[in-house]
Amino acid sequence: EDQVTQSPEALRLQEGESSSLNCSYTVSGLRGLFWYRQDPGKGPEFLFTLYSAGEEKEKERLKATLTKKESFLHITAPKPEDSATYLCAVQASDYKLSFGAGTTVTVRA
Amino acid sequence: NAGVTQTPKFRVLKTGQSMTLLCAQDMNHEYMYWYRQDPGMGLRLIHYSVGEGTTAKGEVPDGYNVSRLKKQNFLLGLESAAPSQTSVYFCASRNLGPGNTEAFFGQGTRLTVV
Repeated sequence: EDQVTQSPEALRLQEGESSSLNCSYTVSGLRGLFWYRQDPGKGPEFLFTLYSAGEEKEKERLKATLTKKESFLHITAPKPEDSATYLCAVQASDYKLSFGAGTTVTVRA
Repeated sequence: NAGVTQTPKFRVLKTGQSMTLLCAQDMNHEYMYWYRQDPGMGLRLIHYSVGEGTTAKGEVPDGYNVSRLKKQNFLLGLESAAPSQTSVYFCASRNLGPGNTEAFFGQGTRLTVV
């Protein structure tokens, strides 16, 4: 069965303090790994898709990387508006996306 | 450009009552999903559909039924609500193309069963 584990559960950062979130996964035949951002009271919003080990993608202060067993979401010089819950999901079949429990990031000014 | 729209946004039910949650997407996506989100447990798949007229069970289907009579709509039904079904429900849609495409989510329905 597909398993997705995110760590830490919560992360409190000072503005400008860079850090990384981890998503470790166990799937048979990864077809894609997705990162989403979720603000309180809203639905998840797509950030990145990674398909193969070694792949990297960037968007503003966020950078996602992928290895054969885990993915990292690096937040560089975060701002308060980066506060959100970040969700990781893996796809191992045509239809199913399996999600981790998320990491809640709080950035203090 | 609406994307994925869920109705209603909030609802309070008494134990044993029934209700239907509606999901509508305007992106002509083939795949549609219903998830529930509970604190500390992430998103768990209830049911999904790979096209009009098809439905299938996900990880936590008990107590729910679904229908996809039209490609753009995916309905989630609770026949006899229980307090354990208190949750936030999200609908999502996506397509399957060369490679894999991301899922687009609705804003969620917060359901409380008392």
